[in-house]
Amino acid sequence: DGGITQSPKYLFRKEGQNVTLSCEQNLNHDAMYWYRQDPGQGLRLIYYSQIVNDFQKGDIAEGYSVSREKKESFPLTVTSAQKNPTAFYLCASKEQDINYGYTFGSGTRLTVV
Amino acid sequence: AQTVTQSQPEMSVQEAETVTLSCTYDTSESDYYLFWYKQPPSRQMILVIRQEAYKQQNATENRFSVNFQKAAKSFSLKISDSQLGDAAMYFCAYRRTKGGNNRKLIWGLGTSLAVNP
Repeated sequence: DGGITQSPKYLFRKEGQNVTLSCEQNLNHDAMYWYRQDPGQGLRLIYYSQIVNDFQKGDIAEGYSVSREKKESFPLTVTSAQKNPTAFYLCASKEQDINYGYTFGSGTRLTVV
Repeated sequence: AQTVTQSQPEMSVQEAETVTLSCTYDTSESDYYLFWYKQPPSRQMILVIRQEAYKQQNATENRFSVNFQKAAKSFSLKISDSQLGDAAMYFCAYRRTKGGNNRKLIWGLGTSLAVNP
């Protein structure tokens, strides 16, 4: 079955460490997105990529980095520069130029310990 | 800038009854898309229903339907014959169709729906 796989489901990070969240899709979608979800704040866009080897900053990109070397993969790195990284992270994808809704992964819960 | 407002942080409904969740939005665009997403306790975001602004007919998907009032910039979700599995957080979202950022979704803060047996 086609879909988006996010791993790991739970991730713990020590302060000062970088961690990478995985997002893989087999839907052949061109566009991929990373969102952060905090209680009471809804979803906020971190980064998005509309095509391989290209990506754009979203609303809260500071302290995060991404890469898009393959169409299927869009990993998110949470760097030590992100001062408050504890949150739920959702990855999504969409076919380019088709205005259907996004397909979402099941998310990664990141906690700083 | 576009904004989406969900004025009901929490709602509850009896099983088999009908409930309506409210959503209003602000935009100067004439062409756009509106969505309702459901986020159950598993936290995976699931598309419930989609409405194109140029269509006057309200979208329906089985027990889910919308009341789209373009002039009032209102997009409410009606859930009929509520089931226990409908308990979730519901998010309203907007996306313009033109412009460089047209693939960016604007989200409301969500409405938490409880279904009582």
